[in-house]
Amino acid sequence: GAVVSQHPSRVICKSGTSVKIECRSLDFQATTMFWYRQFPKQSLMLMATSNEGSKATYEQGVEKDKFLINHASLTLSTLTVTSAHPEDSSFYICSARGQGDGKNIQYFGAGTRLSVL
Amino acid sequence: AQRVTQPEKLLSVFKGAPVELKCNYSYSGSPELFWYVQYSRQRLQLLLRHISRESIKGFTADLNKGETSFHLKKPFAQEEDSAMYYCALRRGAGSYQLTFGKGTKLSVIP
Repeated sequence: GAVVSQHPSRVICKSGTSVKIECRSLDFQATTMFWYRQFPKQSLMLMATSNEGSKATYEQGVEKDKFLINHASLTLSTLTVTSAHPEDSSFYICSARGQGDGKNIQYFGAGTRLSVL
Repeated sequence: AQRVTQPEKLLSVFKGAPVELKCNYSYSGSPELFWYVQYSRQRLQLLLRHISRESIKGFTADLNKGETSFHLKKPFAQEEDSAMYYCALRRGAGSYQLTFGKGTKLSVIP
């Protein structure tokens, strides 16, 4: 089956630093990747949709200058949390949709736990 | 705007008992509904989609447009079914974004 690798699985950083999270589709090409944020005991909230070679589409209320998304290739998308603050601490999850996949199935990464001190 | 509601945060059933995880949605168009499952310490994965009309691991879900529901059912719960279950809706034609419910934690008691 399709595998999505997300790295790192956990990161602890100081307030004010930037953190980059990678999302890779290992055995398929992903034209579209999605970035979610999940607060404790709450649902996944879509942050942005990333299409290879074009600018990401952000959901309402998500700061695009805060959460930089780059989808440089068909197998890699990155989310950079810039100047992280404690309120950015959360669980970030990526997913990928296969190229030409008519089934509209998203394959999920294992998530990244970000803790900002 | 679309919305997915899972009214139960936690559902506990005994092994062998029937299971029904509720999901209701609000959407003005023709929806595509999914159930995703997350087992302990594992990533989110697709369980089933309403379009395929299949049974996966004994689970079924029927889209009821009149009641705007997509409840997940299994006649006999197994311990390995214990997990977090999320109902999700795809936002219409040409869109691949999913809107998720808050999830229901199913606990199957031995």
